[in-house]
Amino acid sequence: AQKVTQAQTEISVVEKEDVTLDCVYETRDTTYYLFWYKQPPSGELVFLIRRNSFDEQNEISGRYSWNFQKSTSSFNFTITASQVVDSAVYFCALMGRVGTDKLIFGTGTRLQVFP
Amino acid sequence: DTGVSQNPRHKITKRGQNVTFRCDPISEHNRLYWYRQTLGQGPEFLTYFQNEAQLEKSRLLSDRFSAERPKGSFSTLEIQRTEQGDSAMYLCASSEWDSAKPQHFGDGTRLSIL
Repeated sequence: AQKVTQAQTEISVVEKEDVTLDCVYETRDTTYYLFWYKQPPSGELVFLIRRNSFDEQNEISGRYSWNFQKSTSSFNFTITASQVVDSAVYFCALMGRVGTDKLIFGTGTRLQVFP
Repeated sequence: DTGVSQNPRHKITKRGQNVTFRCDPISEHNRLYWYRQTLGQGPEFLTYFQNEAQLEKSRLLSDRFSAERPKGSFSTLEIQRTEQGDSAMYLCASSEWDSAKPQHFGDGTRLSIL
């Protein structure tokens, strides 16, 4: 079975704080992809990053960074120096069995950044 | 790149009525997906197309649901004899042909059943 768990339902921080959103996944596939999406209050899911199962290098994009660890089946997302505009629901997703292409989403983490 | 477009944005209907939603994907994208999202949950996969061929359907897609993508361009999702449990946000996404390319989502159609 394939599953994505985002245990943090809601996180509140004050602007400029760093925050890490956790994602744990389950799959029996040896080849798979992991994704993060952002869903602001407007509702549209915005793609942030894709990572394949053979690439465990961490990635940094501006204030965003991702830590992928196969040993713990985790793909965590850190926002450094958070801003009010980062307030949104963040979803982690898994695509297994390359070729089916369906995304399996976690339940999301709502991040609220207060000024 | 004008993005994925979905119409209508909101649909309110009485239980038992039929509804149809439309999705226009990003023009060069061969793959088109439908997901359903209920409050407080992540999107759940319903079905997907490669060009005009419907390649996979979820068990969530009961026989009251039908999706089409004639000519491999826009897609429609129809729900017949709507039920209260059909109330949700219906999301459409599209991607390039290569497997595991990122899926780009539209704003969704919110369906409310009275």
